[in-house]
Amino acid sequence: NAGVMQNPRHLVRRRGQEARLRCSPMKGHSHVYWYRQLPEEGLKFMVYLQKENIIDESGMPKERFSAEFPKEGPSILRIQQVVRGDSAAYFCASSPGSDSPLHFGNGTRLTVT
Amino acid sequence: GENVEQHPSTLSVQEGDSAVIKCTYSDSASNYFPWYKQELGKGPQLIIDIRSNVGEKKDQRIAVTLNKTAKHFSLHITETQPEDSAVYFCAASDNQGGKLIFGQGTELSVKP
Repeated sequence: NAGVMQNPRHLVRRRGQEARLRCSPMKGHSHVYWYRQLPEEGLKFMVYLQKENIIDESGMPKERFSAEFPKEGPSILRIQQVVRGDSAAYFCASSPGSDSPLHFGNGTRLTVT
Repeated sequence: GENVEQHPSTLSVQEGDSAVIKCTYSDSASNYFPWYKQELGKGPQLIIDIRSNVGEKKDQRIAVTLNKTAKHFSLHITETQPEDSAVYFCAASDNQGGKLIFGQGTELSVKP
């Protein structure tokens, strides 16, 4: 049973470009969470999704960031017009239910030049 | 919303000694408290968790205690080994369900 798969592992974008981060949850998991981790800091919650629904986006910046989890395919975190401050590791986690442990992927490290 | 504080930020111990990491939380409605280990370049890995109806849980060299009245919980690692060196995060469930709120992390270094 494969774990949570994130790709790409590393992503380099120039300022103003778009970044798309993908997350395939563990088999049987319908709940997906995105977290951001800055160097030597903790994990900050961004958004919680179930299939085709955003459940909690209280941690998402108001502009440029969006997330989706379609009926088919991976969850996507999209960052438009990236700025240097968006450079961070972005982690996806999945669970089979809202009261179940979260399992994390190995993250996507975004570097904005 | 929930707020989680974690101490210490760094911890250095000799191999074979015990290590203790402590966390406090703010929301009395939180009912789930996991601990994660993160190695360099990897994602956090769940190592142990505890729910609010239990005061203590143990798994080999790792144990977690929970004091609901004081709203704090702790991770205990006994007989530490160099491979225990990593960053450890505590977390608490948000009262609205689903997401976890994480502490700031503890960098544990076990010296041979």
